[in-house]
Amino acid sequence: EAGVAQSPRYKIIEKRQSVAFWCNPISGHATLYWYQQILGQGPKLLIQFQNNGVVDDSQLPKDRFSAERLKGVDSTLKIQPAKLEDSAVYLCASSSKRDSGSYNEQFFGPGTRLTVL
Amino acid sequence: GNSVTQMEGPVTLSEEAFLTINCTYTATGYPSLFWYVQYPGEGLQLLLKATKADDKGSNKGFEATYRKETTSFHLEKGSVQVSDSAVYFCALTFTSGTYKYIFGTGTRLKVLA
Repeated sequence: EAGVAQSPRYKIIEKRQSVAFWCNPISGHATLYWYQQILGQGPKLLIQFQNNGVVDDSQLPKDRFSAERLKGVDSTLKIQPAKLEDSAVYLCASSSKRDSGSYNEQFFGPGTRLTVL
Repeated sequence: GNSVTQMEGPVTLSEEAFLTINCTYTATGYPSLFWYVQYPGEGLQLLLKATKADDKGSNKGFEATYRKETTSFHLEKGSVQVSDSAVYFCALTFTSGTYKYIFGTGTRLKVLA
């Protein structure tokens, strides 16, 4: 079974520029997550999709970050314009629809390392 | 609110030493608990899990027991290897609601030959 795919793996941009990251989840996984992992910290959830609908985007800085999951499969996360503090690894994860009362194991992609200069 | 607290790293051990990485949590309700491992340049991988009090999760020689009375889920391994060098994250989630994961800050482990 193929894992979660992300691209690009690395990106360097200057502040105020725009950038987009792409994620292709495991086939059949209904739930997709985007996390921001700043160096030395744990992953922080930015947005969670269930199929193509947003379940939780409470920690997404909506003035500059946007995400979409058209057709409920792959997803794009965009930052426009980027700030220095956006330098981080952006992780995508996916999970299958789980039964009520059980946890949902998340499978992570390798991440995209963003450096904003 | 819900949160996870891990011991700060880095933790540096010699090969075959005993490992403990402490993790405590604060949660409204009864979470499921996890340890994830992140090797250099890779994404997070699930290491082990426990879904209810007194459950013991185990994998690859690592163990952790869900202690409700102390709200803890400490990771242990009897004899570490150089290949265990990585960052370890404790996390929790719930079996209802948005099923959002909350991660600790991570503990870097370095094992010396």
